[in-house]
Amino acid sequence: AQSVTQLGSHVSVSEGALVLLRCNYSSSVPPYLFWYVQYPNQGLQLLLKYTTGATLVKGINGFEAEFKKSETSFHLTKPSAHMSDAAEYFCAVSGGSARQLTFGSGTQLTVLP
Amino acid sequence: DVKVTQSSRYLVKRTGEKVFLECVQDMDHENMFWYRQDPGLGLRLIYFSYDVKMKEKGDIPEGYSVSREKKERFSLILESASTNQTSMYLCASRTRGQGALNTFGSGTRLTVV
Repeated sequence: AQSVTQLGSHVSVSEGALVLLRCNYSSSVPPYLFWYVQYPNQGLQLLLKYTTGATLVKGINGFEAEFKKSETSFHLTKPSAHMSDAAEYFCAVSGGSARQLTFGSGTQLTVLP
Repeated sequence: DVKVTQSSRYLVKRTGEKVFLECVQDMDHENMFWYRQDPGLGLRLIYFSYDVKMKEKGDIPEGYSVSREKKERFSLILESASTNQTSMYLCASRTRGQGALNTFGSGTRLTVV
């Protein structure tokens, strides 16, 4: 069984500030990890994924995440927030017979001018 | 462009009605999934299917059933709709490959009155 915990249901940052969205997971098998973004009234868009190999993963729109096995974490970062980053972000882990996704509860990111 | 198409974007149904939510993918994917999305709860897996006529319960199957008679179509059925099934429903599909990505539909917002 797998699970995902996202710390902080709402995060606010100023434009130009560092974005840090936290994700911790549990998995009985080596995990595949994902971050998705959902803009208002839109579907889910994949930001980045970790399967194997390099633990620092770069995604779209300047986001990156680091897989830390010892901390069971996969935090999402972006050096400088932009107004267009305001959205809801979901961390997910893949596992099970069909490698189905288990999602965290989501973090709503607000970017302040 | 590959697609997962959900037949309705918005749906309003009455309590006790039988409701069908349809999902069609054009990518010849083996695996298909139904999630519901609720504020503060993220996406939760209702049912999934890894082949035609095969189905598995997800985390919250109560009150739902599914049908997969053809590879490209995965239907979610609410046998007797209730107000607590008011939600956003998302369909996804993927191939069997370990690193394969999910493709999500744009969702059906169901309101049960």
